[in-house]
Amino acid sequence: NAGVTQTPKFRVLKTGQSMTLLCAQDMNHEYMYWYRQDPGMGLRLIHYSVGEGTTAKGEVPDGYNVSRLKKQNFLLGLESAAPSQTSVYFCASTPTGALGPLHFGNGTRLTVT
Amino acid sequence: DQQVKQNSPSLSVQEGRISILNCDYTNSMFDYFLWYKKYPAEGPTFLISISSIKDKNEDGRFTVFLNKSAKHLSLHIVPSQPGDSAVYFCAAREEGGSEKLVFGKGTKLTVNP
Repeated sequence: NAGVTQTPKFRVLKTGQSMTLLCAQDMNHEYMYWYRQDPGMGLRLIHYSVGEGTTAKGEVPDGYNVSRLKKQNFLLGLESAAPSQTSVYFCASTPTGALGPLHFGNGTRLTVT
Repeated sequence: DQQVKQNSPSLSVQEGRISILNCDYTNSMFDYFLWYKKYPAEGPTFLISISSIKDKNEDGRFTVFLNKSAKHLSLHIVPSQPGDSAVYFCAAREEGGSEKLVFGKGTKLTVNP
């Protein structure tokens, strides 16, 4: 039982490059979330999805896009990476919403130079 | 404007003693509070939660206390164990069923053998 799997674990991008972070969960959860964590900061919600085919903006959505074409996958895209997007990105899922509780992946550490 | 504050970046306690982690909030619309624990290089894991209609919730060694009038909650760990050494995040949800959780910056707990 893998739970929530994030790919890749690490990535270095140059400013202006694009990339997609993949989150996969095998728990049949309806709700999925993308958070970012910056040094000395709490987690901040980027985007979330309440079911297949749905997405919604969180607290810090600018510069990111998401898609939820399949229930088990939630993709986070950076179209033109900026140094301010250097962060650790966490994906989470839950069957019943934010009070779920959330099941997190182990994170993707992204550095934009 | 930080709505959830964990004013102690770190806490060190002896094994077997009580650990008390504190969290203050400013938004009176928060109706649900959660604690997550995070080990290095892993995603956060859910620990315990409390609804605003309660003032205490207990789960084994972990107890969360909520003082609504003071807008303060605390997590008590008794007895503390070396395996409890981690970063603890307090999170809160706004009334109305929002999917957005607001996280504090975290407190790093070290339990010394």
